Amino acid sequence: GNSVTQMEGPVTLSEEAFLTINCTYTATGYPSLFWYVQYPGEGLQLLLKATKADDKGSNKGFEATYRKETTSFHLEKGSVQVSDSAVYFCALSASYKLSFGAGTTVTVRA
Amino acid sequence: DAGVTQSPTHLIKTRGQQVTLRCSPKSGHDTVSWYQQALGQGPQFIFQYYEEEERQRGNFPDRFSGHQFPNYSSELNVNALLLGDSALYLCASSLGRGGQSYEQYFGPGTRLTVT
Repeated sequence: GNSVTQMEGPVTLSEEAFLTINCTYTATGYPSLFWYVQYPGEGLQLLLKATKADDKGSNKGFEATYRKETTSFHLEKGSVQVSDSAVYFCALSASYKLSFGAGTTVTVRA
Repeated sequence: DAGVTQSPTHLIKTRGQQVTLRCSPKSGHDTVSWYQQALGQGPQFIFQYYEEEERQRGNFPDRFSGHQFPNYSSELNVNALLLGDSALYLCASSLGRGGQSYEQYFGPGTRLTVT
């Protein structure tokens, strides 16, 4: 079946540090890939997406590239801010549903 | 442009009771999916409704049922509540037609506590 594995947290960084969260997937066919972010006490917000191999999704300084050869969709940001503190979920879309990873908690210190 | 709305925000129920959660999709969307998010975990797919029918279902028992109305809003019903049903229930809306790039937009969730 379809599944997503993302790096375990928590991750603690200083402001302006580089962030990377690894995500790999297992799927039949060609799923679309997503990163969602969940701020404390809130629902999930779509951060970025990629729909086919070699697509790069980007938003708010975050980027992720759909790598079919390595079945990966790693999230990166060059310079994080305190406001980026949240839980990040990698997800794939297939058969109408989203399958999520377990989430990675990121805390950015001033 | 109204986003996805859910009600109630919080709910406390006793084991064995029944609960109904409600969701209104984002304007222009016709498909509603429900997810259960246990504390510290990623959301798990419960089911999806499109054209007032259940189109896809995840690995949840029959105690979980749903409905979609002609205005595309949806309800999630859970019968015979168990302690393990305590979770954040998320509703997501999307467009039903199109390819695999299903962008699902999530509501703020309903926090259900079963005591």
